[in-house]
Amino acid sequence: ETGVTQSPTHLIKTRGQQVTLRCSSQSGHNTVSWYQQALGQGPQFIFQYYREEENGRGNFPPRFSGLQVPNYSSELNVNALELDDSALYLCASSTRLAGSTDTQYFGPGTRLTVL
Amino acid sequence: DQQVKQNSPSLSVQEGRISILNCDYTNSMFDYFLWYKKYPAEGPTFLISISSIKDKNEDGRFTVFLNKSAKHLSLHIVPSQPGDSAVYFCAASRNTNAGKSTFGDGTTLTVKP
Repeated sequence: ETGVTQSPTHLIKTRGQQVTLRCSSQSGHNTVSWYQQALGQGPQFIFQYYREEENGRGNFPPRFSGLQVPNYSSELNVNALELDDSALYLCASSTRLAGSTDTQYFGPGTRLTVL
Repeated sequence: DQQVKQNSPSLSVQEGRISILNCDYTNSMFDYFLWYKKYPAEGPTFLISISSIKDKNEDGRFTVFLNKSAKHLSLHIVPSQPGDSAVYFCAASRNTNAGKSTFGDGTTLTVKP
């Protein structure tokens, strides 16, 4: 069973640019969530995808968008980058089954720096 | 408005002693609570969870206590080991969907040999 992987590991962009971060879910998982972790803070929920459909969104503007494809890979896209977007971006995959709890498995994250 | 708070940024304990990490929440709609451990350069790793219908859950050296009336939970690690040194995050969610968790800012635990 492979773990959750993310690419790239590190990324440097300038203000106003666009970025795409990628996540490969753990085999067999049907749900992926994305989080932003600013320095010294806990992860903050961005959105969740369940079976390729958005299934909830945190307090992030529309320039944060995403998708999930049939092989359960996922992308996080951020347009018009701002300095405050500099953070560690984490994805986590899990298997959602009705009426039960799920365990999230996190990837190592992508460190985004916006200059 | 931070809905999950870990008021102690750091904690240092001696090997073999008990570590107690605390977490407070404000949203009474939360019904599922989790603790994660994070080492540098790695993503958070799930440690233990508790549903709001319980007040205690135990897994080996780790026990989580939930006090719903006080909106408070704690993680006890007994005995503490140097390998437990990490950042510990408390998280809370609704409808047992851990994938939409609200996290605290973490407590850095250092276990001294």
